Amino acid sequence: DAKTTQPPSMDCAEGRAANLPCNHSTISGNEYVYWYRQIHSQGPQYIIHGLKNNETNEMASLIITEDRKSSTLILPHATLRDTAVYYCIVRVGGQNFVFGPGTRLSVLP
Amino acid sequence: DTAVSQTPKYLVTQMGNDKSIKCEQNLGHDTMYWYKQDSKKFLKIMFSYNNKELIINETVPNRFSPKSPDKAHLNLHINSLELGDSAVYFCASSQAGLDTDTQYFGPGTRLTVL
Repeated sequence: DAKTTQPPSMDCAEGRAANLPCNHSTISGNEYVYWYRQIHSQGPQYIIHGLKNNETNEMASLIITEDRKSSTLILPHATLRDTAVYYCIVRVGGQNFVFGPGTRLSVLP
Repeated sequence: DTAVSQTPKYLVTQMGNDKSIKCEQNLGHDTMYWYKQDSKKFLKIMFSYNNKELIINETVPNRFSPKSPDKAHLNLHINSLELGDSAVYFCASSQAGLDTDTQYFGPGTRLTVL
């Protein structure tokens, strides 16, 4: 079973920041937070991951609360191509990835 | 360059047939996986396989058998196909032994059993 809780769907206006929340209140100290997304009919795409510190790469930023019980994925300037299902996953290295239902993000023109 | 590739992209077949799906990764990873995504869109792991060990998800019927000719390839063979096998199958790979062994996925194979 997935250890995370995400809203089932969200909308975002094109060009605006998309902030996708994830609750993982039972996360343990050695579990990383991963984000993947799945654009329609394609394979899941890795976005970003982090342990404690906030992380940023060319795709997104990951903000993890100090108590690590929740996190937010930020797409700074959403485009129509960012419309996808976004999955938040917590795991330690070597464990299987357990995908929940995710958040369906719709970027609107 | 495609990091994880699968063939075929689409596979339509009759019930009772035997079929295979091929997966190749050029990332130099030593661990590969098969996932199944059914009509409800839940993505579930079926197998993980590295140089030394095949880990089978106990919910997977034994009609499904992964075969790895070498570290870069993990094929999925399915015997006696059933209607319920219709799904999208994704291959993935990662480098084991790291704290953050990120998995990279292939584009998927849509299997339709008639």
